[in-house]
Amino acid sequence: DVKVTQSSRYLVKRTGEKVFLECVQDMDHENMFWYRQDPGLGLRLIYFSYDVKMKEKGDIPEGYSVSREKKERFSLILESASTNQTSMYLCASSPPLEGGTYEQYFGPGTRLTVT
Amino acid sequence: GQQVMQIPQYQHVQEGEDFTTYCNSSTTLSNIQWYKQRPGGHPVFLIQLVKSGEVKKQKRLTFQFGEAKKNSSLHITATQTTDVGTYFCAGRRAGSYQLTFGKGTKLSVIP
Repeated sequence: DVKVTQSSRYLVKRTGEKVFLECVQDMDHENMFWYRQDPGLGLRLIYFSYDVKMKEKGDIPEGYSVSREKKERFSLILESASTNQTSMYLCASSPPLEGGTYEQYFGPGTRLTVT
Repeated sequence: GQQVMQIPQYQHVQEGEDFTTYCNSSTTLSNIQWYKQRPGGHPVFLIQLVKSGEVKKQKRLTFQFGEAKKNSSLHITATQTTDVGTYFCAGRRAGSYQLTFGKGTKLSVIP
């Protein structure tokens, strides 16, 4: 079974703090994704990575950055946390695009509160 | 950019009634996927549709992909309380790594 783990289930940070969210997958997947999920807005893609050290902006990258130094790990960084970044953050990984079913496997999520 | 609209946003049904959620894309899709998120859980992949007009079944769930590959539906026959959750469609354009998710349909089943 694919396992995607996230460093924290719940996190409370203060405005202006630098925040690191970590995601690790154990299936040697090339592709990894960071989403945020807000009520009524569904899942919105922040950033994704299709290879080590490669990253692409998603639909809402402003205020975020990412790092992928190793294949199994994808980090989301909030450079200076703001209250409008209070949300549920979901990490996902998927096999290669050419592999047929390109399903995404999600981690349990990190509920971040910025006060 | 690509948009995926999903309706309805909420659906309350009596146990045993049928349920359908619909998904429409602003652009032609290479494939469409469906996910289910139980309350307090994370999205879990259900199925992928690739071919124009494709219909797939999983027990009481029937998934359809439109002829133009721009719309899709999920139909649940005779809902059960275990069907409770939010159902998301997610579309992908050819050559893109990105999935664009609909906003989801939250299904409540009244016993």
